[in-house]
Amino acid sequence: QSVLTQPPSVSAAPGQKVTISCSGSNSNIGNNYVSWYQQLPGTAPKLLIYDNNKRPSGIPDRFSGSKSGTSGTLGITGLQTGDEADYYCGTWDSSLSGVVFGGGTKLTVL
Amino acid sequence: QVQLVESGGGVVQPGGSLRLSCAASGFTFSSFGMHWVRQAPGKGLEWVAFIRYDGSYILYADSVKGRFTISRDNSKNTLFLQMNSLRTEDTSVYYCAKVPHWGMSDFDVWGQGTMVIVSS
Repeated sequence: QSVLTQPPSVSAAPGQKVTISCSGSNSNIGNNYVSWYQQLPGTAPKLLIYDNNKRPSGIPDRFSGSKSGTSGTLGITGLQTGDEADYYCGTWDSSLSGVVFGGGTKLTVL
Repeated sequence: QVQLVESGGGVVQPGGSLRLSCAASGFTFSSFGMHWVRQAPGKGLEWVAFIRYDGSYILYADSVKGRFTISRDNSKNTLFLQMNSLRTEDTSVYYCAKVPHWGMSDFDVWGQGTMVIVSS
């Protein structure tokens, strides 16, 4: 049971847009920044979004992030087959004094 | 380029010990905090431990506290994870990950991972 809650799977057609939600509480998302990671099959995770909505160098602007209250959202526009991956949200949890992750969301581009 | 390479994984019996290493290159290792994150087969990510750039501040997940020890040797650009009293539920791919300049709870560079299997 993960501290942060994500939908197990989402799907959309190539070229379309998809959003992935991440729900937490005041001890984590409510008072800390949200980050998002992409894990392509058989590879290590990769940082996509940090500080709720910032993109590291090299991450295309098709990827966006937002936060409202105790929930964060990852948005991906112009979906490509290469976006098929598992996506994880993460943040600091002040009560646990550690980093917590969502259970992951598998994106399928139909 | 910035690179992290883990080693030391393998098969160990329950109750046994293993020491993982993470060799860093391409950045000033001694200036950045580091984490260990693990992923059980077919499961999600689980944070394991954090160590500050100078080793002066360390945190552990409750699931490994008292059994695992994170450490670093800045003279050798290497991060370690000593794992004792291993349990079957510790079976995972273990990743080392670098803390970016903007905050300690993010991971901007990851290694390729090393597999640890705890089985009798």
